[in-house]
Amino acid sequence: EAQVTQNPRYLITVTGKKLTVTCSQNMNHEYMSWYRQDPGLGLRQIYYSMNVEVTDKGDVPEGYKVSRKEKRNFPLILESPSPNQTSLYFCASSLSGQGGGYTFGSGTRLTVV
Amino acid sequence: SQKIEQNSEALNIQEGKTATLTCNYTNYSPAYLQWYRQDPGRGPVFLLLIRENEKEKRKERLKVTFDTTLKQSLFHITASQPADSATYLCALGYSGGGADGLTFGKGTHLIIQP
Repeated sequence: EAQVTQNPRYLITVTGKKLTVTCSQNMNHEYMSWYRQDPGLGLRQIYYSMNVEVTDKGDVPEGYKVSRKEKRNFPLILESPSPNQTSLYFCASSLSGQGGGYTFGSGTRLTVV
Repeated sequence: SQKIEQNSEALNIQEGKTATLTCNYTNYSPAYLQWYRQDPGRGPVFLLLIRENEKEKRKERLKVTFDTTLKQSLFHITASQPADSATYLCALGYSGGGADGLTFGKGTHLIIQP
């Protein structure tokens, strides 16, 4: 089944403790992206990647890192999480990133206390 | 910067009627516009894409129109069913450069009442 897989689905952590949210897609998509979704603010792009080793900032990149060492994987790294990063996170992929629909993962609900 | 406006209040429609959702944008027109469905706690699901040179697109009970003069897209669900209840997001995309530049609206919550 074609899908984007995120792990974990739920995560509660403490301020300052480094964490990684994994994202993997099995559709050979070139384009991958991370979004966060907050009430009243909608989906906002954090980082995106056009292909392996090519990443760039979205609208809200502060406090996040990403890497794209393999085409299928695009992990999101929070080096020192803070409470304002409590949110619902989505990974998405698209064949080319130029007009194709996105396939989203099921989401990761992160709480930083 | 680009601003996307979708009805922030919930839209209540009786089952069997046509539901019409609106997406308005300011400033420059996108190269294409997409519509997604999102259920609570789940990721958005892609429904339809319409490009700037297209007036209308259809898929089963769904229809999307795109008016670059009015800077508006309308999303219609005909013969609506309670199972169509969800939040619907529009997203604008821009060609050129490298990035997709997909910007999402905040969504409209649609409730289909039996």
